[in-house]
Amino acid sequence: EVQLVESGGGIVQPGGSLRLSCAASGFTFSTYWIHWVRQAPGKGLEWVSRVNSDGSSTIHADSVKGRFTISRDNPKNTVYLQMNSLRVEDTAVYYCARDSTEWELLFNMDVWGQGTTVTVSS
Amino acid sequence: QSALTQPASVSGSPGQSITISCTGTSSDVGSYNLVSWYQQHPGKAPKLMIYEVYKRPSGVSGRFSGSKSDNTASLTISGLQAEDEGDYYCCSYAGSGRGVFGGGTKLTVL
Repeated sequence: EVQLVESGGGIVQPGGSLRLSCAASGFTFSTYWIHWVRQAPGKGLEWVSRVNSDGSSTIHADSVKGRFTISRDNPKNTVYLQMNSLRVEDTAVYYCARDSTEWELLFNMDVWGQGTTVTVSS
Repeated sequence: QSALTQPASVSGSPGQSITISCTGTSSDVGSYNLVSWYQQHPGKAPKLMIYEVYKRPSGVSGRFSGSKSDNTASLTISGLQAEDEGDYYCCSYAGSGRGVFGGGTKLTVL
């Protein structure tokens, strides 16, 4: 079964750090681009970041640039999101999602994880 | 990058058709045929319904269709069913490797 499973969410104080993981199974992980998308409570989806298939190219939304870093470990079939200098407004459910076509960036997110919740509060 | 503009809510009766618009700019929706649509039910992860403006993933009902004109993309659902109720989001490639979502539309089946 093609699957993505997020972990690493939790409660953290403003200014703190957290690392999210996204473990993939059921497909050839190393050939797909992966995205992180978040959803604040009661709000819409926000694209956060993406990494290419071999990890050599990453991009982050302006709202998290300089604070969040996406990376991947293909032998471990895992993508990470290192989140530093967290703010209250980063509180959200964080999803990882696969871009549908091998080797290509198309923003067709065809496989999603169940999400992991990050709460930033003092 | 500003979010794409979607109506906050739309509604329709079973069997009717509805259309959800998604308005961007010449830098995103207008420049690329890389618009996708997602359905989300409460407490669930989003589900891909339409990709590359009008293409439908296998397993998605033919009642869902997509189109684009200039800077506006549209999702049409025909023959509305109760199970179609939920939130719908558009997403577009915005250049330079970035993406942008719409604000979301709540669909109510009356």
